[in-house]
Amino acid sequence: GAVVSQHPSWVICKSGTSVKIECRSLDFQATTMFWYRQFPKQSLMLMATSNEGSKATYEQGVEKDKFLINHASLTLSTLTVTSAHPEDSSFYICSARDSPGSPLHFGNGTRLTVT
Amino acid sequence: GENVEQHPSTLSVQEGDSAVIKCTYSDSASNYFPWYKQELGKRPQLIIDIRSNVGEKKDQRIAVTLNKTAKHFSLHITETQPEDSAVYFCAASRQHHNAGNMLTFGGGTRLMVKP
Repeated sequence: GAVVSQHPSWVICKSGTSVKIECRSLDFQATTMFWYRQFPKQSLMLMATSNEGSKATYEQGVEKDKFLINHASLTLSTLTVTSAHPEDSSFYICSARDSPGSPLHFGNGTRLTVT
Repeated sequence: GENVEQHPSTLSVQEGDSAVIKCTYSDSASNYFPWYKQELGKRPQLIIDIRSNVGEKKDQRIAVTLNKTAKHFSLHITETQPEDSAVYFCAASRQHHNAGNMLTFGGGTRLMVKP
């Protein structure tokens, strides 16, 4: 079945630094990928829709200059958390569909801790 | 946009009993309703989904029902087992001929099955 790989699985960084998270579709091409954020004991909240070859679409309240998304190829989308602060500590998960109408496949998630 | 409400937020049942989780949605154009199971620190896993042209779907101990008129859908787990303990999320989306349809998630239900 379709596999979405996310890296790293966890990262600890100091406040003010930037962190890049990669999301790869291993056996299919994804023109669209989704980035979600999940705080402890809460639901998944969509941050942005990543579109290959064009700008990402951000949800209301998500700062596009802080959460940089690049979808340079049909198998890779990256999320960069710039100038991270402790309140950015969260579980970030990417997802994609291998074809229209197919279920959403999730990456393993990245637990970001900003100290 | 779509709004998905999920109840209850926590559910404790005795092993062997049934568990029911209910969700309502607001967008009458939504036509795809998946359910995900998420264990602590892991990715959401699709357990069952239903499309709006079907009223009920069953897969072994898991079943989902959909009432389009009332805009609500439910997850039913029979003969619960301790390994069913996890957080369950319902979701809704419009599914069209492209893959760029985002999911809106419910708030989640923490299911605890007591041995």
